[in-house]
Amino acid sequence: AQTVTQSQPEMSVQEAETVTLSCTYDTSESDYYLFWYKQPPSRQMILVIRQEAYKQQNATENRFSVNFQKAAKSFSLKISDSQLGDAAMYFCAYRSSGNYGQNFVFGPGTRLSVLP
Amino acid sequence: SAVISQKPSRDICQRGTSLTIQCQVDSQVTMMFWYRQQPGQSLTLIATANQGSEATYESGFVIDKFPISRPNLTFSTLTVSNMSPEDSSIYLCSVEDPYRDTIYFGEGSWLTVV
Repeated sequence: AQTVTQSQPEMSVQEAETVTLSCTYDTSESDYYLFWYKQPPSRQMILVIRQEAYKQQNATENRFSVNFQKAAKSFSLKISDSQLGDAAMYFCAYRSSGNYGQNFVFGPGTRLSVLP
Repeated sequence: SAVISQKPSRDICQRGTSLTIQCQVDSQVTMMFWYRQQPGQSLTLIATANQGSEATYESGFVIDKFPISRPNLTFSTLTVSNMSPEDSSIYLCSVEDPYRDTIYFGEGSWLTVV
């Protein structure tokens, strides 16, 4: 079974600085998807960014980018120019290709604090 | 992405009672999912709900405790039955987006059992 590990339970960053959140996963599959979700205090899970394993190019969404290292099974999230609104729990998630939903595996989360 | 509305947003429940959470989507979706997030924890899938068929439950979750309805392509309910303090959690509804190979979530329902 696939597992997702986030080794940093908590992180903090100064406003306007850059922070990187780590995620590693374990799988024997070659085709899959990886995601970062953000959960602010409002509790709603918000999709931040997604990456297809077959794509070598790292995904980017505005201030958010990933460093996807398939061989190392690593999928880190970089947040540039951090803003107060970035403060949240961040969950890394893995999804097998094929069936939806039931193949999502979430990591334990990293709580990010943004310091003014 | 789809707009997903959940009700109630928050509730305090007496132990031994049952509560039904509603999930409404603004577009038709094939698959809907119910997750539980216990305090300070990650998400755990409870079940997958397809319209017109019985929900599929994950290991550790049973229909008698978490009955699910899926009467149409835009609506689902999750009932938490005979609640105990251990059921205090956030319950999240989610739907698939097959064009982006991902899932989107509702706002969550925060239940506290006293």
